[in-house]
Amino acid sequence: GESVGLHLPTLSVQEGDNSIINCAYSNSASDYFIWYKQESGKGPQFIIDIRSNMDKRQGQRVTVLLNKTVKHLSLQIAATQPGDSAVYFCAETHSNDYKLSFGAGTTVTVRA
Amino acid sequence: GAGVSQSPSNKVTEKGKDVELRCDPISGHTALYWYRQRLGQGLEFLIYFQGNSAPDKSGLPSDRFSAERTGESVSTLTIQRTQQEDSAVYLCASSPRRGGGETQYFGPGTRLLVL
Repeated sequence: GESVGLHLPTLSVQEGDNSIINCAYSNSASDYFIWYKQESGKGPQFIIDIRSNMDKRQGQRVTVLLNKTVKHLSLQIAATQPGDSAVYFCAETHSNDYKLSFGAGTTVTVRA
Repeated sequence: GAGVSQSPSNKVTEKGKDVELRCDPISGHTALYWYRQRLGQGLEFLIYFQGNSAPDKSGLPSDRFSAERTGESVSTLTIQRTQQEDSAVYLCASSPRRGGGETQYFGPGTRLLVL
């Protein structure tokens, strides 16, 4: 079946460096993508989203890039901070659907 | 405003007992979702409610699992005759409309441990 996955299960980043978290999706019909951050003991928190009519979207310290050709999504975090340590999930859906498909997540650890 | 709330935050039960988990969605959100998250894994869809429409129960793993929602407010997820493999975090999310192509807002989850 269709699935959303992440390339790497863990990422260790030096504080102040930029982080890049990758996600591959397989459902070419998906047209809406979301990045969530989940801190220990908490529910997933919305970070940023992007629709398929865009290839880049920027938020505060975060940028999401979408490459529909290779079905790849990435989340870039600028100047990574200790508070960015969490599990990051990408999720996909179609605008006519209500289910989100989640990958297994990437654990980001920020080194001081 | 208040986000999605869930109770209890933690639940420890014995195998074979029934448990009931509660979710209070964001006020005005018509769509409500339940997910299960096993340790170190992603989110597994369980059930979806939208207004007065029949719920999508396609993700419920067995007939021991059931859920109800009162109008567009509180929802309860019931697990009967709990098994050790039911141990997980149960997350509830809500969204403003039918849920198509929009963000879901999550509660903190209920951590269930079945001994």
